[in-house]
Formats: sequence, C-alpha cells, structure tokens
Amino acid sequence: KAGVTQTPRYLIKTRGQQVTLSCSPISGHRSVSWYQQTPGQGLQFLFEYFSETQRNKGNFPGRFSGRQFSNSRSEMNVSTLELGDSALYLCASSYSGENTEAFFGQGTRLTVV
Amino acid sequence: ELKVEQNPLFLSMQEGKNYTIYCNYSTTSDRLYWYRQDPGKSLESLFVLLSNGAVKQEGRLMASLDTKARLSTLHITAAVHDLSATYFCAVTRSPYALNFGKGTSLLVTP
Repeated sequence: KAGVTQTPRYLIKTRGQQVTLSCSPISGHRSVSWYQQTPGQGLQFLFEYFSETQRNKGNFPGRFSGRQFSNSRSEMNVSTLELGDSALYLCASSYSGENTEAFFGQGTRLTVV
Repeated sequence: ELKVEQNPLFLSMQEGKNYTIYCNYSTTSDRLYWYRQDPGKSLESLFVLLSNGAVKQEGRLMASLDTKARLSTLHITAAVHDLSATYFCAVTRSPYALNFGKGTSLLVTP
C-alpha cells in the first residue's frame, strides 16, 4: 500500500516569490491536513481538507492557502514568501480526519533566501 | 486553546537504562498519539491511545493514557542506540487538527 507522497522534497525560493506544494494521500483516504515544522515553533497545524472542503484552518496569515481535488490530492500555496516561511511542510492523510489515524508524508523542505 | 506539554524536552540516557517521557494536555481529548521523528525525516506513528487506561507496547516502548489526569506516558525500557530520535505526543481537537507537543529529543549513548 503506497504511503503519503509529497512533492517536491526540497525547494529553494526567493523572498516575494510564491510556491505550491503537493500531497497525494493514501488511497481511500479523504482527509488531508498540512503542518509546518520549524525549530522555534515546532509542529503547527495549517489546514485540513475533507472531500474538497476546508474544514479547519490554523492561525496562519492569508498568504497560506490550500485546496483539495476530487481525487483527494491536495496542494498548498504560499504567496509572497518571507524568510520565516522556511520550514519543513508535512502533509498527513487519514480516512476521515476525526477518530482515524493520520499518516505523514516525507515532507517538503522549503528554504526561502 | 488546547495546549500539549511534553517533558523533558531533551533526554540523554545510557544504553540499558529505563526512562519515562510525559505528555500533559489541557482540555478533554479522546485520542492521543505518539510519533517518532528521525533527523530530517517524517513522523512515524508509534501508538494510538483511544481510551482511559489504554496501554500499548511495542518492543522497548510502552505508552499509557490517563484521560482523567490528562496525562500520557511513554516508557522506555532498556534503551538501545536505535531509539535515539525525537518523540512527539499529539492530541486531536474538533474541528479536526492534531495539536503537538514540542517533542522530546532522545539520545541513547553507550
């Protein structure tokens, strides 16, 4: 059974640019959630999608957005990149979100210079 | 706001020794998770604890949950070097999201 796939694995972007990260969940899983991991703030929740609908959003500025497609694949977008956006972005998939176990992808390491 | 606190944040222990990592959370949650993360890698699910008094064991690791005390423990028995990693506990809230602790960085030395 294939796991959660995130692409790309590594990205280097310049301040002010935008970036799109992709996440393909485990087959059959309909919930995809995104997390930002930094040394200072730890793991922070960005948003969660289920059946193409955003059900929850963390405390991040509007520059962070996401979407989910009908095949449950999800993308997150960060516009007007700042140095502080440098982080490991992790995607997790679960069957339905609440009360189901979440499995994480390998992450995308974003570096903003 | 749901807060999750782990302690200790850093732990250096000798091979063969036992130790316990603690995870406290601030509001009611029915589900608690333990994850392992190796440097530069993703999160690997270790345990899912679903109810008060739940205890799960895998190899040298044992996790327990006391929902009344809002406390989970991860006990390490006879540590070996391969257990060196960062361990996170996380609780869910509604609407669905995982709230993570800061993580416990474990180093097992000879």
